[in-house]
Amino acid sequence: QVQLQESGPGLVKPSETLSLSCTLSGASITTSYWSWIRQSPGKGLEWIGYNSYSGTTNYNPSLKSRVTISIDTSKNQFSLNLTSVTAADTAMYYCARVVLTHFDYWGQGTLVTVSS
Amino acid sequence: EIVLTQSPGTLSMSPGERATLSCRASQRISNNYLAWYQQKTGQAPRLLIYGASSRATGIPDRFSGSGSGTDFTLTIDRLEPEDFAVYYCQQYDRSLLTFGRGTKVEIK
Repeated sequence: QVQLQESGPGLVKPSETLSLSCTLSGASITTSYWSWIRQSPGKGLEWIGYNSYSGTTNYNPSLKSRVTISIDTSKNQFSLNLTSVTAADTAMYYCARVVLTHFDYWGQGTLVTVSS
Repeated sequence: EIVLTQSPGTLSMSPGERATLSCRASQRISNNYLAWYQQKTGQAPRLLIYGASSRATGIPDRFSGSGSGTDFTLTIDRLEPEDFAVYYCQQYDRSLLTFGRGTKVEIK
């Protein structure tokens, strides 16, 4: 059974970088595509981007200038970096597996608040 | 970017009834790359349907998806108590993925 678990700080200061990790079990990070999605009351569910072991990346154009998703095969995990955060980046952040066109396995989510 | 509009915003139903949820796209979705998710309070979304009409693993057959082009429907036959939740549609087009704003199915 594929399981994903997000981890990282729950509070980030404005203008700083939000960094989260997603640890994978039950599957190898070298297969499939791996994605981050966030959810806030204001914007609903918003796809952030995805990456793959082969290095194929794709980001939401609205966030592209601030986002990096990277993969660490030694830890079987992938991570999200979002720079220059503002209050608008406050959301529940989910990691998920992308299967071609949809997301079949999700982590439980981690709440990130941007505040000084 | 394809915008997905879900209707109604809220659906008040009784257990045992049939629920019909709509998802309309601002442009044609090629290859019917449309998925549906269920989200309960405090939980992550769960994949129900992909490719407009294929049920995900372990999803009961009372859930069905249909449609093509710009108009898609999720039908839940014989609502069970555990089906009361928020449902989202999601599309894939030219390597971009977007979600609708959701339909809440509540107990009447």
